[in-house]
Order: sequence, then C-alpha cells, then structure tokens
Amino acid sequence: EPEVTQTPSHQVTQMGQEVILRCVPISNHLYFYWYRQILGQKVEFLVSFYNNEISEKSEIFDDQFSVERPDGSNFTLKIRSTKLEDSAMYFCASSEDSSNQPQHFGDGTRLSIL
Amino acid sequence: DQQVKQNSPSLSVQEGRISILNCDYTNSMFDYFLWYKKYPAEGPTFLISISSIKDKNEDGRFTVFLNKSAKHLSLHIVPSQPGDSAVYFCAASGTSGTYKYIFGTGTRLKVLA
Repeated sequence: EPEVTQTPSHQVTQMGQEVILRCVPISNHLYFYWYRQILGQKVEFLVSFYNNEISEKSEIFDDQFSVERPDGSNFTLKIRSTKLEDSAMYFCASSEDSSNQPQHFGDGTRLSIL
Repeated sequence: DQQVKQNSPSLSVQEGRISILNCDYTNSMFDYFLWYKKYPAEGPTFLISISSIKDKNEDGRFTVFLNKSAKHLSLHIVPSQPGDSAVYFCAASGTSGTYKYIFGTGTRLKVLA
C-alpha cells in the first residue's frame, strides 16, 4: 500500500539554525499538509498546500516557516531560525482530494532543538 | 483549542470484548470525522471516517457512530484484539471550506490477552 515517507526520522539542531524536513507524499495525491505534535500535546495543524501554493495556515505557521514542492515528488517544511519551542514531532500528510478523503500521515520527524 | 475532546485518556478491555472510544466536539460546522490509530514511533494511521450526513459507518471490526445533536462520536471495536492496543485519535474537519483536521488528545487503548 502506498505511504507517505518522511526524512530524517530524527533531527537534532542548534537553536537559531535552519532546518529542512522532507516528505514524499503518496504519488497521486494533490493536497499536502504539515502537522506537529509537541510532547504531551495534541496534533496541531500547521499548513496545507495545493496547486503549488499555501491554501491555509495556522497562527503557528509564522514567517519562520515555509513550505515548498521543489520537484514533482518532494514536499518540504523549512524552519528558518529554530527556537527551543519548535521541538516536536512533525508529521506530513497527503490526500487525494480536499473534502471527505482521509489524509494519510507519514511516521514523522522528531525535531530536537538544543 | 478545545473543539474536539476525548475525555478518557486510557481504556483497558479484555480480548474479545467490545472497545468503545468516545469523542465530543463543540463546532456544529464540522462535517467530516475520522478516527486514527497511532503506535509509538509511527504516524497516525487512518482507520475509519464518517460524513455528517450519516450516523453510522462500518468497516470490518470497526464501527463509527455519529450523534449530531449531541455533538458526539464513538468508535466501536468488536472483537478487540491485543494488536488493537494503541492510542486512538478522533479528528474533525470541514468548517468553512477548510480541510485542516482538528484532533482530540487521544485515548490509549490496552487490550488484555
């Protein structure tokens, strides 16, 4: 069964450094998402992406964050200058369609900011 | 953001019995609801969903019930198996053309052999 893959599984970065988290969505999916889960908290929506542009973003997704689909397969989340509070699990998801089609999640990247 | 709540952090059930996981929501504009299962060190795995035009959806051992008037949904697993032991999240979406999911805090299910 096709799946969403994320790399790396664990990223350790110094505060203030830039980090790029990578995702390969399911190949026929058109909608892409990033979520995060801070330890002990809920899974929270960050951003959705369709047709090469952001369709929605949360208040968490400030100017330090950006997303890109640099080629036909990868979908990346960049954090420009990481903060301690960015430490979390980051999940990428994709869906065929936007409405009433489930989003399928990758196994996540654990981001640890030192 | 308390729009989706799972009030039971944990649940233990004997193998072969029914597991019932509950979820409440506050936003009447939600029109699509899902249940995900999550094992440690893995991402959420989609289990089953239901549109607000239905009150029940069944897939094998899993059934989701939606009570719109009570703003409540539940997941029934029958019969429960040890491999079902995981954290279960409910999620909701569909307000005003947004497709983001709002997740509950999760319920840890332990199925005892």
